[in-house]
Amino acid sequence: DAGITQSPRHKVTETGTPVTLRCHQTENHRYMYWYRQDPGHGLRLIHYSYGVKDTDKGEVSDGYSVSRSKTEDFLLTLESATSSQTSVYFCAIGGQGLDYFTFGSGTRLTVV
Amino acid sequence: AQSVTQLDSHVSVSEGTPVLLRCNYSSSYSPSLFWYVQHPNKGLQLLLKYTSAATLVKGINGFEAEFKKSETSFHLTKPSAHMSDAAEYFCVVREGNTGNQFYFGTGTSLTVIP
Repeated sequence: DAGITQSPRHKVTETGTPVTLRCHQTENHRYMYWYRQDPGHGLRLIHYSYGVKDTDKGEVSDGYSVSRSKTEDFLLTLESATSSQTSVYFCAIGGQGLDYFTFGSGTRLTVV
Repeated sequence: AQSVTQLDSHVSVSEGTPVLLRCNYSSSYSPSLFWYVQHPNKGLQLLLKYTSAATLVKGINGFEAEFKKSETSFHLTKPSAHMSDAAEYFCVVREGNTGNQFYFGTGTSLTVIP
């Protein structure tokens, strides 16, 4: 997806290990978001950022932390991965007017 | 409080027949409403949006949706399904035009039968 990239695209990790997912944008958007997608749940907001060093929790933030040290990068860290965090993670950016999202292609994370 | 309910988890239609994907919402204020489409192994793409202008909204690929406040609905329609329409569709609500959180429905999987 133009302007927003996620890395890695796929990752398998062991229970109890820390994991960091990266979202990089070239659109200079103020707002960035991390969602997880699970069958039967749609997309649920984990954390979002409204500027450098400004972040807030979403509805499923337990076990996750985020950081935004510069406009273009928004990192999601699973502090100690659990099997319940096996999911597809999407990063999104929104315009200044919060009109709509542009999504990355997703990161498929498997915790074994 | 706001939420969105997609009434069907799966919809199957024959190619060339109409598509109807249903979405109901609840919102304390005038909502903004969106439909997104997700093709397999892809991110979500905006199909169309309603932000308090015309109640009939036209989107990409021949889709449209009508905002009906009295029914708290925002159903997605297309007159004639194509094979390429097979995907997952998400209805999304945002409270007003300034809320910074969006709430996703659980998705409707559309199958198009040749």
